Amino acid sequence: GAGVSQSPSNKVTEKGKDVELRCDPISGHTALYWYRQSLGQGLEFLIYFQGNSAPDKSGLPSDRFSAERTGGSVSTLTIQRTQQEDSAVYLCASSPGSVGETQYFGPGTRLLVL
Amino acid sequence: GNSVTQMEGPVTLSEEAFLTINCTYTATGYPSLFWYVQYPGEGLQLLLKATKADDKGSNKGFEATYRKETTSFHLEKGSVQVSDSAVYFCALIPGGSQGNLIFGKGTKLSVKP
Repeated sequence: GAGVSQSPSNKVTEKGKDVELRCDPISGHTALYWYRQSLGQGLEFLIYFQGNSAPDKSGLPSDRFSAERTGGSVSTLTIQRTQQEDSAVYLCASSPGSVGETQYFGPGTRLLVL
Repeated sequence: GNSVTQMEGPVTLSEEAFLTINCTYTATGYPSLFWYVQYPGEGLQLLLKATKADDKGSNKGFEATYRKETTSFHLEKGSVQVSDSAVYFCALIPGGSQGNLIFGKGTKLSVKP
């Protein structure tokens, strides 16, 4: 079946602009995760959704970052007032939702803030 | 807290050489352990995993054994190929958790013909 998809694949924006990144998880997966991959920080967790529960936002680096998941499926990560340090690859992953389950990753969105 | 430490790269080997990438962890409870791989220009893929002590995960000739006594999950392959050139990430999910992966910094492997 189809894997995790993300859009856009690349995004270039100017400092101070808002951006929205989209993730389409594998059908039927109840858990959805956002991570960020940057040269200096490696792979960092951002936010986690499980079914209809309140999301775990403990990894969001600032209040400029937010995410939502509509209907338990598609998720959007929004970065407001982007800064140059937000430049990174943003990865989405989904899993069936059971304890310790494998997470399947999308191809990522490469964000460059000028 | 929970963390993963893996050997720094880059690692350069000749084809058919033996590979070991060390990974140790600190975690609460009994974590699930993973190796993910990122080939050039591609996304993260699960390579192998182990969910309890003494389990051995294996895939594509790679192996790793969950060692609780040494809190380690070292990745090994007996004979590497050029196509194994990639970045390898050790990761864990804390015990009893459905939550996020905690990753090591990654180790870049280059295999020369």
